[in-house]
Formats: sequence, C-alpha cells, structure tokens
Amino acid sequence: GAGVSQSPRYKVAKRGQDVALRCDPISGHVSLFWYQQALGQGPEFLTYFQNEAQLDKSGLPSDRFFAERPEGSVSTLKIQRTQQEDSAVYLCASSLNAGTSFEQFFGPGTRLTVL
Amino acid sequence: EDQVTQSPEALRLQEGESSSLNCSYTVSGLRGLFWYRQDPGKGPEFLFTLYSAGEEKEKERLKATLTKKESFLHITAPKPEDSATYLCAVGSNYKLTFGKGTLLTVNP
Repeated sequence: GAGVSQSPRYKVAKRGQDVALRCDPISGHVSLFWYQQALGQGPEFLTYFQNEAQLDKSGLPSDRFFAERPEGSVSTLKIQRTQQEDSAVYLCASSLNAGTSFEQFFGPGTRLTVL
Repeated sequence: EDQVTQSPEALRLQEGESSSLNCSYTVSGLRGLFWYRQDPGKGPEFLFTLYSAGEEKEKERLKATLTKKESFLHITAPKPEDSATYLCAVGSNYKLTFGKGTLLTVNP
C-alpha cells in the first residue's frame, strides 16, 4: 500500500515569504506527527494530531509555525515570514494509533531552504 | 526531559566485518525503543521496536537488543547496501525523541 507522501519535496523561499508543506498520511492512520530535522541531527518533534485535533504543539519553534489537519487526514504545516534558521527537512509521520500501535512511519520529507 | 545519545557518530566497516552501534537513553516512562534507518535524501525507515529489557529482535543481518539503560544494534557480516544512518529513538508518550544517529559506511 501507499506510504506517507509529502509535497513539495524541495522548496526554496526568500526570507519573509510564507510557505505551506503538505502531508498525506497512510490511509486509516489516526495519528499524525511533524518533525524538523536539521543537517546532521536527528528529527525533532514539532506537533501531534489525533484525527483532526491538535493535541500537542509544544515543539513548534515560534508563532510563525502553524499546522492543521481539518478533516483528520491530510495535514499542512505553514510557516509565515520564513527566516534562514527555518531551513531544514520537515518530516511527516503517521501512526495507526499512538496509544496502541506506536510505530511511526515517515514520509520522504520536504527540504526547505530559506535564502 | 527524555535524552538519547548514540555512539559512535560514524563507523566505517569492511564488508563482512561485524560490529555494534550503541544507543544510551534516559526517559521518564519508556513506551518503546525504536530503531530507524535513514538513507540520504529520504525519510527514516522503521526497523524495530523494543518494549522491555531483555527483548531482542532480528531482521536479516540486524539484531536489536535492549537493557534498562541502552540498546544495541548488532550488524553481522554487513554488506555495502547496509550503509546508512541508523537512528535510535525513545517514546515516552506519543512523541519520539531521537538521537543524532550513527553514520555507517560499509566498504566492499
């Protein structure tokens, strides 16, 4: 079956531009996660959805970062007024259910470069 | 705060030369210890979940083990296609806390 897909795969933005990153989770997966991965580092948690409810956004670096999952399936991570320090790979992961089937399956990521 | 430390940062092996990667962790309440493989330009690929000390899991040339403080990923007779970054993560609730990874290079 299809895995987690993300688009675009690469995004170049000028400092100050807004960007939107899309994630299509595995069909039927209740939980969805966003992570940020800097070069040479492991992924770092940003936010977590269970269905359409955003249950944890404690990892979002600033109020310029916003995530939504309005129908409990596709999710969008939006970054307003991008800064150079936002350059990273943004990974989306989904899980059947965070409480029981805990394995998270990752998409290929979106590499964001802010000039 | 959950913490994960992986060692070594990089490991270079000859084909067929077995070795182990280490993952040390501190966590408030372990819900699982996860190993992922990440190839350049790709997302992490799930390998194993370990839930309790003493548990072991195997997949092809890889075997993961777990104690109360650390996990090992043993690689037996590696091949060049095993070259990748191996990530360890702990889950204490729903979120995963990752280490920085070990970059494994297997030379033919």
